[in-house]
Amino acid sequence: ETGVTQTPRHLVMGMTNKKSLKCEQHLGHNAMYWYKQSAKKPLELMFVYNFKEQTENNSVPSRFSPECPNSSHLFLHLHTLQPEDSALYLCASSPTGDSGGEIYNEQFFGPGTRLTVL
Amino acid sequence: AQKITQTQPGMFVQEKEAVTLDCTYDTSDQSYGLFWYKQPSSGEMIFLIYQGSYDEQNATEGRYSLNFQKARKSANLVISASQLGDSAMYFCAMRDESYNTDKLIFGTGTRLQVFP
Repeated sequence: ETGVTQTPRHLVMGMTNKKSLKCEQHLGHNAMYWYKQSAKKPLELMFVYNFKEQTENNSVPSRFSPECPNSSHLFLHLHTLQPEDSALYLCASSPTGDSGGEIYNEQFFGPGTRLTVL
Repeated sequence: AQKITQTQPGMFVQEKEAVTLDCTYDTSDQSYGLFWYKQPSSGEMIFLIYQGSYDEQNATEGRYSLNFQKARKSANLVISASQLGDSAMYFCAMRDESYNTDKLIFGTGTRLQVFP
């Protein structure tokens, strides 16, 4: 399998449930990202991991808990979500999370998980 | 604060014609990068083209070109010879290259519809 994969593709959960989103990249990259895409709003960066270390938390509520066990895998653990958290959650990877503009460092995106919170 | 503005919520173009999607940006930094991504209905974001703030020539990638006007802070995407498969959402994004973490700031997107 190549590129960036995300599972599940669709998830419906109640506000009291606990679920996890999974992202896997097969590109040999060292940086991984979580983005949230709500209807009619720009993509919002949530978290950045560079070499398994979290380097960015964009003021995300604690009901979203990321985990990066290695450079190829990224999880987003969800608990006690709100209906306004319903969105498309996109994962991305890039060669590094700290290019300083010296390299192209294009981000490659997965297909996303469409989350609905009831 | 950095900001990307895409003022066209939707655009229509006839097949084989060219279309320009507008993007303006706001930043006080001297070093930055500009990206365009395509998002079909399947959801994944597909990278199209990149322009660095110090690049003197406009970027081109096949049918895609970026009309970079630094003084006006605009980075419009030009798609030549539109195809039906070009119908999708298009997002302009900016990367601040002066900080240690690669963050992309996205615009709200433009929905392009190509008709026969």
